[in-house]
Amino acid sequence: GAVVSQHPSWVICKSGTSVKIECRSLDFQATTMFWYRQFPKQSLMLMATSNEGSKATYEQGVEKDKFLINHASLTLSTLTVTSAHPEDSSFYICTRYPTLNQPQHFGDGTRLSIL
Amino acid sequence: GQNIDQPTEMTATEGAIVQINCTYQTSGFNGLFWYQQHAGEAPTFLSYNVLDGLEEKGRFSSFLSRSKGYSYLLLKELQMKDSASYLCAVRNRDDKIIFGKGTRLHILP
Repeated sequence: GAVVSQHPSWVICKSGTSVKIECRSLDFQATTMFWYRQFPKQSLMLMATSNEGSKATYEQGVEKDKFLINHASLTLSTLTVTSAHPEDSSFYICTRYPTLNQPQHFGDGTRLSIL
Repeated sequence: GQNIDQPTEMTATEGAIVQINCTYQTSGFNGLFWYQQHAGEAPTFLSYNVLDGLEEKGRFSSFLSRSKGYSYLLLKELQMKDSASYLCAVRNRDDKIIFGKGTRLHILP
C-alpha cells in the first residue's frame, strides 16, 4: 500500500488564494521529505527539501516566501503556495527517501489549478 | 552542474523489446532510479541501481555503468499498458533525487 499520503488531490481556486498541501509519511518517521513540481509534458523539478525541526532548503530559482514549507512533525510536511497565480498551476508531488522494503515513495500528487 | 539525458520519445511495437538509454553527469552519485509515469499520475518506482551491472525484475531490466555515467531500462514483451513516460533519476551526493526530462514511449498494436 501507499507509504506517502498527499492531500488534497485536486485544488481549483481563484487567483490570490493561498493553498496548503499536506504530505504524510505513513510507515515511518521521515526527518527529510522533498517537494517537486511538474508542468505539463515536463519532468519533475525539485523545489525544496523539507527538514523536520529546521528550515527548508530551497533549490535555486524557487521563491521561499512564495512556497512556504513546514515540517513540524516527523510524519507531516506541508507546502503552502501563497497568493497563488495562474502560473503556479502545476502538479505538486512530495516524497521521502525510498527504503528497501518500501521503494514506492512518492505521494499521489496534487493538481493545482489557479483561475 | 547536473545533466541527465534521455531520448524525448520512442515508439515500439506490442510484443517487442525496447531499450531506453540514460546518461548522466551529476554532483556525486548515490544511485540511479527508473520510474514509470502515466499521464496525470505520480511516478511509480521501477528499479534502483547502485552497483554496476544488470538488475532483472520480470519484464523490466535496468543496467548501470558508473564509469560511463550510463544506464538503460530494457522492457521486454511490450504491452499496450506500457505506453507511458519513463523517468531516469539520479541520487546525488546531497541525497537529492534529480530527474531527467523523461522518455515518452508509444506502443503500437
